[in-house]
Amino acid sequence: DAKTTQPTSMDCAEGRAANLPCNHSTISGNEYVYWYRQIHSQGPQYIIHGLKNNETNEMASLIITEDRKSSTLILPHATLRDTAVYYCIVRGFGNEKLTFGTGTRLTIIP
Amino acid sequence: DSGVTQTPKHLITATGQRVTLRCSPRSGDLSVYWYQQSLDQGLQFLIQYYNGEERAKGNILERFSAQQFPDLHSELNLSSLELGDSALYFCASTGDNYNEQFFGPGTRLTVL
Repeated sequence: DAKTTQPTSMDCAEGRAANLPCNHSTISGNEYVYWYRQIHSQGPQYIIHGLKNNETNEMASLIITEDRKSSTLILPHATLRDTAVYYCIVRGFGNEKLTFGTGTRLTIIP
Repeated sequence: DSGVTQTPKHLITATGQRVTLRCSPRSGDLSVYWYQQSLDQGLQFLIQYYNGEERAKGNILERFSAQQFPDLHSELNLSSLELGDSALYFCASTGDNYNEQFFGPGTRLTVL
């Protein structure tokens, strides 16, 4: 699976959109981008995934650049409960395990 | 609540001992994954079972073993415990759509 690079930490004001970047410049054609988050020491929680098209669900939006070398997770209206470590993971089709990096610690500021 | 349960929640034991961690996947999920989260190594995949059979292996030590039973619950056995085995151990499960893994609340193991 391709390696990912994320900022160590970010702050965002409550109510604003939180934009979390991820670099995956060595991604290959059959690899998907997944985002998970971990709130405090709870089990990680799936957020969203995509291959090349932008995706949106009830939690977030995922924007993948045309060359697929980077992506951005967008939480449209951040709340205090969104404070967590966010992991960007690249996973090949058919590879079921998740390889977690160090993630981005997002702090939502009241 | 993900639907995945893990027991016990906390476990404190001594070096050299053996422990068993238990995981019950979501109803109907055939795949079970085990992950270890320690301060120095982060979240690491250990092993995956699918319908009772081992499917994938990660950075699992030889002192560790796992199995999945006919009722689909899984157990992770850790033996000859060392201080460095202190960590959070998570279990996750998926159904046919393996895109989303559902994680349990974890077992916090402390080895003294």
